[in-house]
Amino acid sequence: EDQVTQSPEALRLQEGESSSLNCSYTVSGLRGLFWYRQDPGKGPEFLFTLYSAGEEKEKERLKATLTKKESFLHITAPKPEDSATYLCAVRSYGGATNKLIFGTGTLLAVQP
Amino acid sequence: KAGVTQTPRYLIKTRGQQVTLSCSPISGHRSVSWYQQTPGQGLQFLFEYFSETQRNKGNFPGRFSGRQFSNSRSEMNVSTLELGDSALYLCASSLEGSSYEQYFGPGTRLTVT
Repeated sequence: EDQVTQSPEALRLQEGESSSLNCSYTVSGLRGLFWYRQDPGKGPEFLFTLYSAGEEKEKERLKATLTKKESFLHITAPKPEDSATYLCAVRSYGGATNKLIFGTGTLLAVQP
Repeated sequence: KAGVTQTPRYLIKTRGQQVTLSCSPISGHRSVSWYQQTPGQGLQFLFEYFSETQRNKGNFPGRFSGRQFSNSRSEMNVSTLELGDSALYLCASSLEGSSYEQYFGPGTRLTVT
């Protein structure tokens, strides 16, 4: 069964303190790994898609990387506005075409 | 380009009633998926519609149903509401193609009392 596990559940950082969020996955065949950001009371906001091991993508202070078993979301010199829940999701060859399987998310709090 | 829109944004219903939620996808997107988000279960896939046909379905009871219209707008219906149906219902749209990136709306917050 396809599964996604995110860690840590919650992370508190000081402004400027870099760190990484982890997303471990088990799928029958990866068709894409997706990172989303979700603010309270809002829908998830698309950040990145990764398709194959070794792939990396960057956007401002965020950088996503992918291996055969996990993905990392690196946050460099975070600011308070980066505070949100970060969700990881996968789509597999064994699953429904457009069904995303989500992890439970990492709640990030960046203190000034 | 306008994003995914969902109406209503907030809804309060009584147990046993039924409810209909609406979703308008991004212009040009023909795939619409629905998800339920709760604090305990996180985001769970309900179903996906493409070209007015249900293409995939998650593990939810038959009380949850949906449909898609020729303009790609979609509705989902929940009949005989239960307290456990209280959740944020999210709609996501995507283009057909290799990327399959899904873009979410703001959600409808349903409270069942």
